[in-house]
Amino acid sequence: LAKTTQPISMDSYEGQEVNITCSHNNIATNDYITWYQQFPSQGPRFIIQGYKTKVTNEVASLFIPADRKSSTLSLPRVSLSDTAVYYCLVGDMNTGFQKLVFGTGTRLLVSP
Amino acid sequence: GAVVSQHPSWVICKSGTSVKIECRSLDFQATTMFWYRQFPKQSLMLMATSNEGSKATYEQGVEKDKFLINHASLTLSTLTVTSAHPEDSSFYICSASAPGGVLRDEQFFGPGTRLTVL
Repeated sequence: LAKTTQPISMDSYEGQEVNITCSHNNIATNDYITWYQQFPSQGPRFIIQGYKTKVTNEVASLFIPADRKSSTLSLPRVSLSDTAVYYCLVGDMNTGFQKLVFGTGTRLLVSP
Repeated sequence: GAVVSQHPSWVICKSGTSVKIECRSLDFQATTMFWYRQFPKQSLMLMATSNEGSKATYEQGVEKDKFLINHASLTLSTLTVTSAHPEDSSFYICSASAPGGVLRDEQFFGPGTRLTVL
């Protein structure tokens, strides 16, 4: 399972764009990159998933360079409610079940 | 969307007693469920993988006799913390795999169960 490295914490202000980068130098060919959000005392919530290039949904964008050794989660115009821990995970889509290994995550604090 | 529930959401028990936590997939069949433990300010740690109809696979360092996992149906997995002690106090989270989903790596998480052992 590929190990991921993220900044421990980030600070931002309401309305700003936040970019959280994750390193996964040992990512395998079959691995997808998935980001989760977790609020205190809640289970993680799926944000976005991608394999290469760029993926966008209604809440975030995910940028993945050609070598796939890193990825960047982009949150446009954050609000106070985006204060949470964000986890980057990589995993093999071809396994019969997906064993996820959570890294330290990035604690994002959004201030007024 | 796929929903996973956990019951109870929080539980307080005396040291030495056993506590059962249920994890249910409400609107899909989950062949695989996972159990995680999370201590304050720390990341989720995978405890075990549970496949319907077979024995759970435990991660290194997790005592299988202390954390009993049963996955009797495609929608229910249970985690029983036997002879609980204060050091077992933690946030327990389950997740369920949804094979055949739009995203093949989809895994849906429950809301978690806060266990406090006095």
